[in-house]
Amino acid sequence: GAGVSQTPSNKVTEKGKYVELRCDPISGHTALYWYRQSLGQGPEFLIYFQGTGAADDSGLPNDRFFAVRPEGSVSTLKIQRTERGDSAVYLCASSPTSRDTQYFGPGTRLTVL
Amino acid sequence: AQSVTQLDSHVSVSEGTPVLLRCNYSSSYSPSLFWYVQHPNKGLQLLLKYTSAATLVKGINGFEAEFKKSETSFHLTKPSAHMSDAAEYFCVVSDLTSGGYNKLIFGAGTRLAVHP
Repeated sequence: GAGVSQTPSNKVTEKGKYVELRCDPISGHTALYWYRQSLGQGPEFLIYFQGTGAADDSGLPNDRFFAVRPEGSVSTLKIQRTERGDSAVYLCASSPTSRDTQYFGPGTRLTVL
Repeated sequence: AQSVTQLDSHVSVSEGTPVLLRCNYSSSYSPSLFWYVQHPNKGLQLLLKYTSAATLVKGINGFEAEFKKSETSFHLTKPSAHMSDAAEYFCVVSDLTSGGYNKLIFGAGTRLAVHP
């Protein structure tokens, strides 16, 4: 079956611009997670959705970052006023329930010039 | 707070020789532990997971890991490396939060190179 997909695969933007990153989870998965992987490091947790609601957004670095999941399926990570330090690979994962194994998408590589 | 330390940032082996990727964890209670693999331009793939059943866990592609509570270790091994095993490997501990979901905490990763 189809896995987690993320679009775009690569995004290059200029400092100060707004970007949106999209995640399509596996069909039927209620739990969705966003992680950020900086160069040479392991992924770090950003936010967790159970259904439509953000159950834990404690990993979002600041208020420039925001994520939504309005219908409980597709999620969008939004970054305002991008900074060079936001450059990283943004990973999305989903799981059938909150306690199950997480399945990861291929990621979106964001480069802020 | 839980954490995980991968003791080697790079490991290089010859094809056909054993692989050992080392991981130590810190946890205040019985953890769930995972190994994920990341091939270039591909998503993270689960190799295996430990969830307090058998201490020796077998995963995909011939990998296995042993949970040793006394040593707080969860090292990943494979008897014979294949060229296709070259990738980045992440040891992960799960922080089962008060909200009842798995917040994954990743190590920094070990890059495995396999030489002919």
